[in-house]
Amino acid sequence: DGGITQSPKYLFRKEGQNVTLSCEQNLNHDAMYWYRQDPGQGLRLIYYSQIVNDFQKGDIAEGYSVSREKKESFPLTVTSAQKNPTAFYLCASIQLAGGPGEQFFGPGTRLTVL
Amino acid sequence: ILNVEQSPQSLHVQEGDSTNFTCSFPSSNFYALHWYRWETAKSPEALFVMTLNGDEKKKGRISATLNTKEGYSYLYIKGSQPEDSATYLCAFSSGGSYIPTFGRGTSLIVHP
Repeated sequence: DGGITQSPKYLFRKEGQNVTLSCEQNLNHDAMYWYRQDPGQGLRLIYYSQIVNDFQKGDIAEGYSVSREKKESFPLTVTSAQKNPTAFYLCASIQLAGGPGEQFFGPGTRLTVL
Repeated sequence: ILNVEQSPQSLHVQEGDSTNFTCSFPSSNFYALHWYRWETAKSPEALFVMTLNGDEKKKGRISATLNTKEGYSYLYIKGSQPEDSATYLCAFSSGGSYIPTFGRGTSLIVHP
């Protein structure tokens, strides 16, 4: 089955620690995205990558970093510089060739800072 | 940051009612408008991808229209069922590339 996997589902972090959230897709999509959701807010774009070895900041990139070494993988690191990291994180991918298709989402990771 | 507004914020209807929501977005440099349904404990699921002014899309009892010149899209649900209960999100992108800005969503609860 094609899709997007994210791990872990739940993650607890102590203040001052960096953590990395995994995102893998086997849909052969060129573009991948990371979003953050907070209560009462829409999905906000953290980073996106439309091609391997290239990525761009979204609206709320401060305190986060990403890499895109392989087409199928787009891990997100939440660094200690992120002031309020407790949130729900969603990874997504989309095929862009031939115009925008449907965006597919992973199941999400809920990060809690203790 | 682009401004994408959805209204109403929440909606309670009775089973069998028809309902509609609005997504408002900037009317310039339009690229695409996506609608998603997000059920509790699941991932958002794509409903429609709309790219042309005047687009009308339909999937079962759910349909959507698009007006890029005035910057709005409507989502309609005919004969709501309890399984339609979810948050409905729209996402606007401009400038020829999919870099979406999401609205805050409309939370729909359908009472049996």
